[in-house]
Amino acid sequence: GAVVSQHPSWVICKSGTSVKIECRSLDFQATTMFWYRQFPKQSLMLMATSNEGSKATYEQGVEKDKFLINHASLTLSTLTVTSAHPEDSSFYICSARFSYNQPQHFGDGTRLSIL
Amino acid sequence: GNSVTQMEGPVTLSEEAFLTINCTYTATGYPSLFWYVQYPGEGLQLLLKATKADDKGSNKGFEATYRKETTSFHLEKGSVQVSDSAVYFCALSDQTGANNLFFGTGTRLTVIP
Repeated sequence: GAVVSQHPSWVICKSGTSVKIECRSLDFQATTMFWYRQFPKQSLMLMATSNEGSKATYEQGVEKDKFLINHASLTLSTLTVTSAHPEDSSFYICSARFSYNQPQHFGDGTRLSIL
Repeated sequence: GNSVTQMEGPVTLSEEAFLTINCTYTATGYPSLFWYVQYPGEGLQLLLKATKADDKGSNKGFEATYRKETTSFHLEKGSVQVSDSAVYFCALSDQTGANNLFFGTGTRLTVIP
């Protein structure tokens, strides 16, 4: 089946640093990738949608300058949390799909802890 | 708009018990419906789906039927196992829009031996 790899799986860093999370589709070309944030014991909140070669579309309330998304190729999207602070600590999950009418395939998530 | 309302948990069952997790939805068009499962520390895995009314999705002993008349997609399993312990998310995708996923709040299931 379709495989999406997310890296790193867990990162701890100091307040003020920037953190990059990678999302790769290993066996298919992902025209669209999605980034979600999940708070403890809550559902997934869609942060942004990115199409290869285009600027990401951010959901209302998500700061685009804070959460930089790059989708430079059909197999890789990155999310950079800039100048991270403790309130950015969360579980971030990416997903990818081949085309509009195909299902999303999810990565295993990245647990981000900002000290 | 699009939304999913899911039975609140947590749910604790003994092994081999019958499971039902309720899910109802509101959608502007004709959505596809999904159940995803999230094991501890992992991302989401698609468990089953149904794309039109009266379709039944099934996988690993779980099943759910797309009921347009009651706007429901309840998840059932006849005999749960300890390995089924996870968080289950009901979701819909809006076929008329960007086809993004809208998730329910998730239901945590714990199965005890």
